[in-house]
Amino acid sequence: AQKVTQAQTEISVVEKEDVTLDCVYETRDTTYYLFWYKQPPSGELVFLIRRNSFDEQNEISGRYSWNFQKSTSSFNFTITASQVVDSAVYFCALSEGGGSEKLVFGKGTKLTVNP
Amino acid sequence: DGGITQSPKYLFRKEGQNVTLSCEQNLNHDAMYWYRQDPGQGLRLIYYSQIVNDFQKGDIAEGYSVSREKKESFPLTVTSAQKNPTAFYLCASSIERGFRQPQHFGDGTRLSIL
Repeated sequence: AQKVTQAQTEISVVEKEDVTLDCVYETRDTTYYLFWYKQPPSGELVFLIRRNSFDEQNEISGRYSWNFQKSTSSFNFTITASQVVDSAVYFCALSEGGGSEKLVFGKGTKLTVNP
Repeated sequence: DGGITQSPKYLFRKEGQNVTLSCEQNLNHDAMYWYRQDPGQGLRLIYYSQIVNDFQKGDIAEGYSVSREKKESFPLTVTSAQKNPTAFYLCASSIERGFRQPQHFGDGTRLSIL
C-alpha cells in the first residue's frame, strides 16, 4: 500500500533562513510519481513539482529545490532564503504507476516564516 | 482567466439536510476530483470523474454523491447520511485521466453544521 509521511507537523523560521521539508514515501511499485503542493492561507492547493520514479535528478527552481533519493524513499523540499510569502502548508503526494487510480497525500507541514 | 471555481465559499447545513457544493472548470480538463480536508490532515479523495457521465468512488464516498453531466461541472452533494460533514472541501481537475498528472485546485468550500 502506498503511504506518505511528513514527520514535521510545523516549522517556524526567521526570514532568510533556509528550510527543508521532509517527505518519506512507501510504495511497492517501481513506477510512481511524487508531487509537492503548497496551500497558502487562502486555501487552494498550488502545484509545485512532479517527479517520476525514473528521474532522480535534483531540481532547482529559483529559491526552491528538491532532492529525490530512491535509496531512502525520500523527496525533500528546500526553500533557500525563505520569505514571509512562503508561509503555507506544504503537502507531499504519491501516485503509483500502472494505471493507479489513487493519489495519496501526506498530512502536510505548516511552515511559518517570521519577519 | 482559466481556472476552477467553487461556490459557495462558506456553507452551513442543518440536521437532516442535503447540501450541494458547486465546482466549475474552464480549463477543458477531462478529469475532476473532490477531496475532503480535516484540520491537521492531508486530503482524502471522495469521488472522481475521468470523463463525462462517469465517476468513481474514492476512499470516503459514503454519505456523498456526485454527477458529471457536463465536462466543466462536477457538483458534490453532502447528504444527511454523512454524519460528520464539517470540513474543508476542495475540487480539482487534471488535463487527462489518471493520477499522474498535476491537479489544479479551486479555492475550496468550508462546510459547517448549524
